[in-house]
Amino acid sequence: NAGVTQTPKFRILKIGQSMTLQCAQDMNHNYMYWYRQDPGMGLKLIYYSVGAGITDKGEVPNGYNVSRSTTEDFPLRLELAAPSQTSVYFCASSYERTRGGYEQYFGPGTRLTVT
Amino acid sequence: EDKVVQSPLSLVVHEGDTVTLNCSYEVTNFRSLLWYKQEKKAPTFLFMLTSSGIEKKSGRLSSILDKKELFSILNITATQTGDSAIYLCAPNSGAGSYQLTFGKGTKLSVIP
Repeated sequence: NAGVTQTPKFRILKIGQSMTLQCAQDMNHNYMYWYRQDPGMGLKLIYYSVGAGITDKGEVPNGYNVSRSTTEDFPLRLELAAPSQTSVYFCASSYERTRGGYEQYFGPGTRLTVT
Repeated sequence: EDKVVQSPLSLVVHEGDTVTLNCSYEVTNFRSLLWYKQEKKAPTFLFMLTSSGIEKKSGRLSSILDKKELFSILNITATQTGDSAIYLCAPNSGAGSYQLTFGKGTKLSVIP
């Protein structure tokens, strides 16, 4: 299994440009998540999905959009990029353990710079 | 609002020392608490704790949860330079949310 994969690894955007960060998982997990991590900070949840066709906002959704047409893929769309979106973006997926809790597996991250 | 506080924020120790990392939390509909290790890349899973008082162990690492006092600790004994990383604590809230709320992390540096 490849686990959770993300592309691209690095990207530089100009202010106002748009792009899509790709995320895929091959573990048949229902739940998928997008986080951003700024220097010295923990991870902040942007959007999550509990299954194909179902998405919901996390803590910091403004400026982003997601879709979940398949179990495997969960792309994150940035519209009108702004310098405040400079960050490292992590995609994660999880399943529910029998005793509760959701252990999340993370992709390698995408480092995005907006100038 | 969910809140997670980790302490200390950073720590420098010598190889062979024992360290204790702290995590206090306030989340609604608490289900479990997870610890992750983050080196220069993605966080990797260490432990998930769901019950108070039951210690989880993996080699030199161990962790325990106190659901009454709302905190968890992560212990690392006989530290090695490979333990240098940021350690993240993340309580998981259920009730349809499935979310992890991450603390800022403790940056551990182990020097030879």
